[in-house]
Amino acid sequence: GAVVSQHPSRVICKSGTSVKIECRSLDFQATTMFWYRQFPKQSLMLMATSNEGSKATYEQGVEKDKFLINHASLTLSTLTVTSAHPEDSSFYICSAAGTAKDTQYFGPGTRLTVL
Amino acid sequence: QKEVEQDPGPLSVPEGAIVSLNCTYSNSAFQYFMWYRQYSRKGPELLMYTYSSGNKEDGRFTAQVDKSSKYISLFIRDSQPSDSATYLCAMIAGSGGYQKVTFGTGTKLQVIP
Repeated sequence: GAVVSQHPSRVICKSGTSVKIECRSLDFQATTMFWYRQFPKQSLMLMATSNEGSKATYEQGVEKDKFLINHASLTLSTLTVTSAHPEDSSFYICSAAGTAKDTQYFGPGTRLTVL
Repeated sequence: QKEVEQDPGPLSVPEGAIVSLNCTYSNSAFQYFMWYRQYSRKGPELLMYTYSSGNKEDGRFTAQVDKSSKYISLFIRDSQPSDSATYLCAMIAGSGGYQKVTFGTGTKLQVIP
C-alpha cells in the first residue's frame, strides 16, 4: 500500500516560535495532500487542501497566515505553524491522495505541544 | 446536527466476538464510504473503501452500506486484542478534484483477551 511519512513525530516548542512539519509520499506521487488537526477525543478536522504548485485551499476558520502550507513537489508538502501558542497544541496529520482519487493515505501524525 | 454521527463508545467485547460499528449520515451527496483504524497516537489506516450499497468483505472485515437509510456499518469477525483501536468512518461527496473527507468522531474498541 501507499506510504506517507511525517517528520517530526513529536515536537515541543515555546510559545511564539514557529514549527515546520513535513509530509512525504514515499512510493507514489501525490498531486493533492491534505492537512488535518485532531484534538483529544475528537475527529479529524480538515485544515487545508494542498495542491502541488499552487496555493493551498483553507477551510473556514483556519488562518492561512498562521498555518503556512507549501507543496513544492509531488512528494512533499510542509505545514508551518507560525507564532505557535498553547492552543495550537494538537495532533497534526497529513494525507495524500493516491492514484484512486477517492482514497487518502495518512501519515503517522505529528504531536505538537506548545509550552 | 452533524453530517456524520458515530457512537464514541468505548465498546468492550471479549476476544472472538463479532463487532458491529455503525455510522449514520445526513448528507445524501456522500457517495464514497471508508473505514479507518487508528491506534493511539498514530495516523489513521485505511481498512475498507466502498461506493455502492451492499456488502464488501475483506478477510475478517465486512463493510456494509445502506444508502437508502444513510447508514453504514463495519463488522469484525473473530475479534482479536490487536483490533483494539479507534475506528473512524469517513465519507466523500462526489469525485471531483476536491475530495473533502468528512469523518465521524470514531468509536473506541477494546477487545479483551
